[in-house]
Amino acid sequence: SQTIHQWPATLVQPVGSPLSLECTVEGTSNPNLYWYRQAAGRGLQLLFYSVGIGQISSEVPQNLSASRPQDRQFILSSKKLLLSDSGFYLCACSGGNQPQHFGDGTRLSIL
Amino acid sequence: GEDVEQSLFLSVREGDSSVINCTYTDSSSTYLYWYKQEPGAGLQLLTYIFSNMDMKQDQRLTVLLNKKDKHLSLRIADTQTGDSAIYFCAESSTGGYNKLIFGAGTRLAVHP
Repeated sequence: SQTIHQWPATLVQPVGSPLSLECTVEGTSNPNLYWYRQAAGRGLQLLFYSVGIGQISSEVPQNLSASRPQDRQFILSSKKLLLSDSGFYLCACSGGNQPQHFGDGTRLSIL
Repeated sequence: GEDVEQSLFLSVREGDSSVINCTYTDSSSTYLYWYKQEPGAGLQLLTYIFSNMDMKQDQRLTVLLNKKDKHLSLRIADTQTGDSAIYFCAESSTGGYNKLIFGAGTRLAVHP
């Protein structure tokens, strides 16, 4: 079965600093990968998804970008963080028509 | 556009049944899902149902799907304190790539 690793688990960053969150997947090959953000007390907003290496689709315009340098690696980045980037970031993975499975998330606080 | 709606809060007594409801808009959704989120954690897939099914049962969980009314429910029998969490309903998007549209989540509180 697939396992999704996210790190770090928590992160506190100043406004204007860069960001790099990493997600790696084990137990599957050529998965679809997803980044979601969950604002406090809210549902999930899909930020990016990827169906293969170097293939990134953005769902909403924002201050963030994503990259997929390897089949099972998905990275979420920003050059300059905004206060509004605070939230709980979740990476998810699915293969074919299988359900999405989620990592444990990264809680990002911007000061 | 695609939308999924859930009530935000449900409170039940320990040992009673809980029923969490969800409505969706995309009649062409192939699968519908229920996820559970405990405090500070990621989402755990609880169960899912194919759109040509009316019901699915898995131990204490029963999913009912009314495709005509676009209504999905999750029933938890003999609710325990460990069931306290946020429950998300999600539908598969017609946009492809197994994209999901999530509801805002229902917070289930179980009290003695």
